[in-house]
Amino acid sequence: QLRLQESGPGLVRPSETLSLTCTVSGGSINSSGYYWAWIRQPPGKGLEWIASIYYSGSTYYNPSLKSRVTISVDTSKNQFSLRLNSVTAADTAVYYCVRPLSDYHTTFDYWGQGTLVTVSS
Amino acid sequence: DIQMTQSPSSLYASVGDRVAITCRASQTISTYLNWYQQKPGKAPKLLIYAASSLQSGVPSRFSGSGSVTDFTLTISSLQPEDFATYYCQQSYGNPYTFGQGTKLEIK
Repeated sequence: QLRLQESGPGLVRPSETLSLTCTVSGGSINSSGYYWAWIRQPPGKGLEWIASIYYSGSTYYNPSLKSRVTISVDTSKNQFSLRLNSVTAADTAVYYCVRPLSDYHTTFDYWGQGTLVTVSS
Repeated sequence: DIQMTQSPSSLYASVGDRVAITCRASQTISTYLNWYQQKPGKAPKLLIYAASSLQSGVPSRFSGSGSVTDFTLTISSLQPEDFATYYCQQSYGNPYTFGQGTKLEIK
């Protein structure tokens, strides 16, 4: 059974960089045809897709966040990561790592439990 | 960006009721439309993809329909575990946007 687990600081200071890692178990991040993604949800609000990556390193980003976001993959550790720089209070959210369907790589199937990141001084 | 608008924003219903939630896209998205269910404190769960395909393991009381800009999620006979928030999402164009959600509550 595929499992995704987010990890990283729960509190980030304004203007600093948010860094999260997703550890994949029960499957290989190298699996052909699968992308990996990050989605976030501010408290009490809706969902926002942030970025996606293929195991080969091909990426695509939400244009509204592209200038501040980097998604990367470490196949040796079966992990992928998110970095969001210059954070503000508006970046406070539960961050989910996600694996989409193989044939529909922007349809989000397996989700991690989510991790709350609060931006505050 | 493609805007996704769900209606209603909240819905009160009883166990056994048939309910429908609609989602409208601001431009054509063919059938690139997905539905998710989210319970408090939990990650969303994929119910329907490509407008009408039932995800594996999802009960058959859930169904999806529609194309182009107008879509519907129908629950044929509400069960207690169906009370949750439902989101639609377009997978047609970057950025891949979600509706604002429909909260389904017990009457």
